[in-house]
Amino acid sequence: RKEVEQDPGPFNVPEGATVAFNCTYSNSASQSFFWYRQDCRKEPKLLMSVYSSGNEDGRFTAQLNRASQYISLLIRDSKLSDSATYLCVVNWGYKLSFGAGTTVTVRA
Amino acid sequence: DVKVTQSSRYLVKRTGEKVFLECVQDMDHENMFWYRQDPGLGLRLIYFSYDVKMKEKGDIPEGYSVSREKKERFSLILESASTNQTSMYLCASSLYRVSNEKLFFGSGTQLSVL
Repeated sequence: RKEVEQDPGPFNVPEGATVAFNCTYSNSASQSFFWYRQDCRKEPKLLMSVYSSGNEDGRFTAQLNRASQYISLLIRDSKLSDSATYLCVVNWGYKLSFGAGTTVTVRA
Repeated sequence: DVKVTQSSRYLVKRTGEKVFLECVQDMDHENMFWYRQDPGLGLRLIYFSYDVKMKEKGDIPEGYSVSREKKERFSLILESASTNQTSMYLCASSLYRVSNEKLFFGSGTQLSVL
C-alpha cells in the first residue's frame, strides 16, 4: 500500500466552479500535512499547510481528518490559473512522503 | 527568495556512464534532498543530508550516491547509469531540521539514459 494516495483526476471544471479532492495516508503517526502545487514542467511549490482545525488561504480550504486518515483541499471560485497538479505531502519525523498528485484543469 | 539551482535542465546519457547532477542553494539551509519524479509514482526520496559531509539513504538509494562537501552544494551521482534511471530529478532544500515544513525545489533535471 502506498504511504500517500491521491485520485489522479483529472478534474475538469469551469471557471467559477468549486472543486474538492482528498488524499489518504497510511501512517497514523503522521505529524504534519501539506499541499504543494506543481505547474506543468515546473517544480513543486508549497501551497499551504494543513492544520488539525482546518484552515483557509483565500479561495483554498484544507481539512484534516485524523480518524479517517485523510486530508482534503477545496478550491472555490476556480480560476484558469488554478490549473495545476496538487501534491499531498505527509510528514512523520524527518521524512516527507509525497502523493502522485491530483490534476485540476479549469476551463474558460 | 530562496534559490535552488540545478546544473542542467535536460541531460542525455548512455547506459553505463557515470552521471553527476549538481544542486546549489543560496539560503544557508542545512537540509538538502534529492528526489526523482515519475508519472503515477509521485516524488520518491533518493538521499538527503542534514549537514556537510553527512548523508542518509532515502527510500530508493540503490544505484545512486551523493556528496556534500560544502553546505550549499549537494551532488547526486549515478555510478553506472541504467535505462530505469531515466526520470525527472528534483533537488530541494529546507531550513528546519525536524519538521521539514517548507521545501524549496530546483527546477529539475530531466535525465534520459539511452
